[in-house]
Amino acid sequence: SQKIEQNSEALNIQEGKTATLTCNYTNYSPAYLQWYRQDPGRGPVFLLLIRENEKEKRKERLKVTFDTTLKQSLFHITASQPADSATYLCALGPSYNTDKLIFGTGTRLQVFP
Amino acid sequence: SQTIHQWPATLVQPVGSPLSLECTVEGTSNPNLYWYRQAAGRGLQLLFYSVGIGQISSEVPQNLSASRPQDRQFILSSKKLLLSDSGFYLCAWSVKTSGANVLTFGAGSRLTVL
Repeated sequence: SQKIEQNSEALNIQEGKTATLTCNYTNYSPAYLQWYRQDPGRGPVFLLLIRENEKEKRKERLKVTFDTTLKQSLFHITASQPADSATYLCALGPSYNTDKLIFGTGTRLQVFP
Repeated sequence: SQTIHQWPATLVQPVGSPLSLECTVEGTSNPNLYWYRQAAGRGLQLLFYSVGIGQISSEVPQNLSASRPQDRQFILSSKKLLLSDSGFYLCAWSVKTSGANVLTFGAGSRLTVL
């Protein structure tokens, strides 16, 4: 069955540094990979989407890479700020045979001033 | 602009009692609608999705059911709640972005079954 792995341990970094979060997956060939941000007690909010034929996507201080050979995506936040503290979810899909998204468990990021 | 509303935001229910969570979307027509559950320390689990009125697909066998009586209304129900039904329930709708299925989530409903 499809499996998505994100670091379950929280990532703690200092303000101004670059945060890098990892998403690994198996038994799946998604056409897209998406990243969402979730604050405590709130619903996830869409951040970025990258297609299988794209290596990298940027949006302001965010950068996403997608390596379909390694079956891995990296999510970078440059010049991190305390306001970036949240849980970040990786989601796979749609694929060629389904519109459904499969979510990872998320990685909690804590940025300290 | 499109908005999504979920209610109630929080509820505490005894085991064996019924459940009804409601979700409505405004500002769009014929959206795909979804119900997810997020248990503590676990990822988002897709429970139901709907591509149109009266069209419901169930993803996992469970104690819950869903209905879509109107185009922009999605309801999650249970006749008798179990302890394992506790969790954070999220409604979402999707918009097609260059072929992708980007989800917009509601604020969620926190259910505690005692």
